[in-house]
Amino acid sequence: SQELEQSPQSLIVQEGKNLTINCTSSKTLYGLYWYKQKYGEGLIFLMMLQKGGEEKSHEKITAKLDEKKQQSSLHITASQPSHAGIYLCGAPLKAAGNKLTFGGGTRVLVKP
Amino acid sequence: SAVISQKPSRDICQRGTSLTIQCQVDSQVTMMFWYRQQPGQSLTLIATANQGSEATYESGFVIDKFPISRPNLTFSTLTVSNMSPEDSSIYLCSLVAGGRETQYFGPGTRLLVL
Repeated sequence: SQELEQSPQSLIVQEGKNLTINCTSSKTLYGLYWYKQKYGEGLIFLMMLQKGGEEKSHEKITAKLDEKKQQSSLHITASQPSHAGIYLCGAPLKAAGNKLTFGGGTRVLVKP
Repeated sequence: SAVISQKPSRDICQRGTSLTIQCQVDSQVTMMFWYRQQPGQSLTLIATANQGSEATYESGFVIDKFPISRPNLTFSTLTVSNMSPEDSSIYLCSLVAGGRETQYFGPGTRLLVL
């Protein structure tokens, strides 16, 4: 079965600093979703990458998909306290599929 | 984006009882799913809620334990039956919108079983 490994598991950054989260798949990626979750709440959709080399940005968050490496990265520029939370990557189990498997999550804390 | 609501938002239940969680969407969607997030864990897919037919369950999940209904394209329920403390989790419904570009999640139902 496909497994997604996220790194780091947690990180603490100073407000204003950049941070990067990686999501590596054990199998071929057929797309990659990034979500943010506040503690004990639902998931907020950030972005979805479909093609190798694709890069998307929303406000200060940028995500990139490297199909060859079976990896995606999420980069936050000039972090703010509002960026704190758990970031989860999810990937379809098969091509053109909608069932997702998820990574273990990365817990981000931004120190003011 | 689709608006998804879940009821209840949280509950505390006694061992051996059952709880039905509702998921309501503000527009008709083809695909709806139910996920579970156990404490400190990531999300695991329970089943696909099929409109007008039986749900499709993932390995490790069975209909007797997690019966699912989907009477129409905007509503689904998940029942957690004969609960034990191991069922304490956040249960989330999700749907696919905009082709396959976007998969949204509901706010979740936080369940604690004593």
